[in-house]
Amino acid sequence: DAGVIQSPRHEVTEMGQEVTLRCKPISGHDYLFWYRQTMMRGLELLIYFNNNVPIDDSGMPEDRFSAKMPNASFSTLKIQPSEPRDSAVYFCASSPATAVIGGPDTQYFGPGTRLTVL
Amino acid sequence: SQQGEEDPQALSIQEGENATMNCSYKTSINNLQWYRQNSGRGLVHLILIRSNEREKHSGRLRVTLDTSKKSSSLLITASRAADTASYFCATRTNDMRFGAGTRLTVKP
Repeated sequence: DAGVIQSPRHEVTEMGQEVTLRCKPISGHDYLFWYRQTMMRGLELLIYFNNNVPIDDSGMPEDRFSAKMPNASFSTLKIQPSEPRDSAVYFCASSPATAVIGGPDTQYFGPGTRLTVL
Repeated sequence: SQQGEEDPQALSIQEGENATMNCSYKTSINNLQWYRQNSGRGLVHLILIRSNEREKHSGRLRVTLDTSKKSSSLLITASRAADTASYFCATRTNDMRFGAGTRLTVKP
């Protein structure tokens, strides 16, 4: 398996533009997580899905952020309109309900998308 | 919001020495996990300890959990330069919450 795939790896955009980040979880995983990492706030959980259904979106900073998971193999995180303070590395992670290696709850992270909003 | 808090924030040691990192958390947990993050990369799962366990080993890693003190420690023995990374604890209740991390530097 290729692991969790995220695209793009880097995104530079101007304030006010719409940004869409994409994630393909590991096949067969039931859970998908979106995180944001900055030096100031560390790693923050934004939202997570179980079987394509959003379970907890309390970490989504404001209405400009939205996430969807239309099927088990694809999720998007959208920021509209983007602001400079949204600059961060955005990670997607997936987790099986049970795992052969690492035990249950192990999360497998993608390489991240580095977003810069000018 | 963050749940776990790692201590120290940064640690610098010589190759071959042991590294100990601590994690404190606030609420009851189902389990606690440690992750490693190399610069510019995603997090990699290292080890999981359940709330009813007190100690766990995996290779050069040793994790302890004290639920009465709401704290955990990660010990890396015989450290190597390749262990240089940031280490995060994550607590699992209904979701996963990560701490701010400890930046470990192992000098060759």
